[in-house]
Amino acid sequence: EVQLLESGGGLEQPGGSLRLSCVTSGFSFTNHAMSWVRQAPGKGLEWLSSITGSGGSSFTADPVKGRFTISRDISKRTLYLQMDSLTVEDTALYYCVKGNGESCYSPGDYWGPGTLVTVSS
Amino acid sequence: DIVMTQSPDSLVVSLGERATINCKSSQSVLYSSNNKNYLAWYQQKPGQPPKLLTYWASTRESGVPDRFSGSGSGTDFTLTITSLQAEDVAVYFCQQHFSIPFTFGPGTKVDIK
Repeated sequence: EVQLLESGGGLEQPGGSLRLSCVTSGFSFTNHAMSWVRQAPGKGLEWLSSITGSGGSSFTADPVKGRFTISRDISKRTLYLQMDSLTVEDTALYYCVKGNGESCYSPGDYWGPGTLVTVSS
Repeated sequence: DIVMTQSPDSLVVSLGERATINCKSSQSVLYSSNNKNYLAWYQQKPGQPPKLLTYWASTRESGVPDRFSGSGSGTDFTLTITSLQAEDVAVYFCQQHFSIPFTFGPGTKVDIK
């Protein structure tokens, strides 16, 4: 059974940093791309970043490029999102998403329950 | 960026009736090399993460009831629920996974009449 579980969210001040983690199980971690998608309260979905199954390539949305960095630790089967220079606009529920293939262009077939990030002074 | 639009914003349908949701992309999401449309549909129920319903515009994800079907090509796509059930009350999103950034439509809320 595929399982994704995010952690690392919480309350952070503007300008601060958080590192989100997503522990995975139930599938071949190196054969599937992984992504982060966020959803602000009561709003729609926003793709943030994706990384290939091998970890050799990654892509990040312009609004967070230079502030957010995606990475993965194959030995720990864990996906990360390092978030720096946080602003109030980063307040959202952050989802970890498994792609149904190795390429970042694969659709997301499993989503974690999400971890809530609140940026406020 | 490819802009995704959906219509209608919300839909109220009687149990057992058909629900039709439209999605339009500002550019074609058809990849000519493999003739696949990089368009996915997701269902999101309150308090839950999105669930993949269809991808490549019309391929139903494993385990998804066959009352859900996706169609369309190029820039115009449709998600059809042929016989609405109570458990289908949700918000439905389309997403293009053709070019970065992978953008989502704003969502269509489906309710029971």
